[in-house]
Amino acid sequence: EVQLVESGGGLVQPGGSLRLSCAASGFTVSSNYMSWVRQAPGKGLEWVSVIYSGGGRTYYADSVKGRFTISSDNSKSTLYLQMNNLRTEDTAVYYCATGTDLYGGPDYWGQGTLVTVSS
Amino acid sequence: SSELTQDPAVSVALGQTVRITCQGDSLRTYSASWYQQKPGQAPVLVIYGKNNRPSGTPDRFSGPSSGNTASLIITGAQAEDEADYYCNSRDSSGNHLVFGGGTKLTVL
Repeated sequence: EVQLVESGGGLVQPGGSLRLSCAASGFTVSSNYMSWVRQAPGKGLEWVSVIYSGGGRTYYADSVKGRFTISSDNSKSTLYLQMNNLRTEDTAVYYCATGTDLYGGPDYWGQGTLVTVSS
Repeated sequence: SSELTQDPAVSVALGQTVRITCQGDSLRTYSASWYQQKPGQAPVLVIYGKNNRPSGTPDRFSGPSSGNTASLIITGAQAEDEADYYCNSRDSSGNHLVFGGGTKLTVL
């Protein structure tokens, strides 16, 4: 059974940093792409970043480029999102998601972790 | 263009058929996936690829696509289908994921 468990969310001041983690099980992390998707309170889904297996290509939404860094440790089956210079508009539930189809949508999602950026 | 456009809200009478649409240029190249999200829960995949259902998705859900428009059709909507629905595809490069703005489905 595929499981994705996020952690690391919390309250942080504007300009601060957080690192999110996503522990994966039930599949081979190196075979799938892994992505972060966020949802601000009362809003829709917003794609944040993706890392592709077999080379580790990474891509970011314009809204986070230069501030967020996605990475993975295949030996630990864990995905990370380093978030720096956080803004109030980054407040959201952050979901970890994974897919097997290189050009398809995510097949599985975690339950999410809440990040609140506020002074 | 990397945008996917959905109607914000749709309603359907119990037992009737409803179509939720998603429009975007990238849909001419990449297939859409559809997600159901209920309050306080994570999104769940209900349709992927060329109109495929994951195990667990009722067969009243279907996902045809034509040109720049993908649709999610629920034939015989049930009360438990009331939720937010999001389409997903790729941008023109294929590297970035893109989500539609979501459609709130109300079952009357």
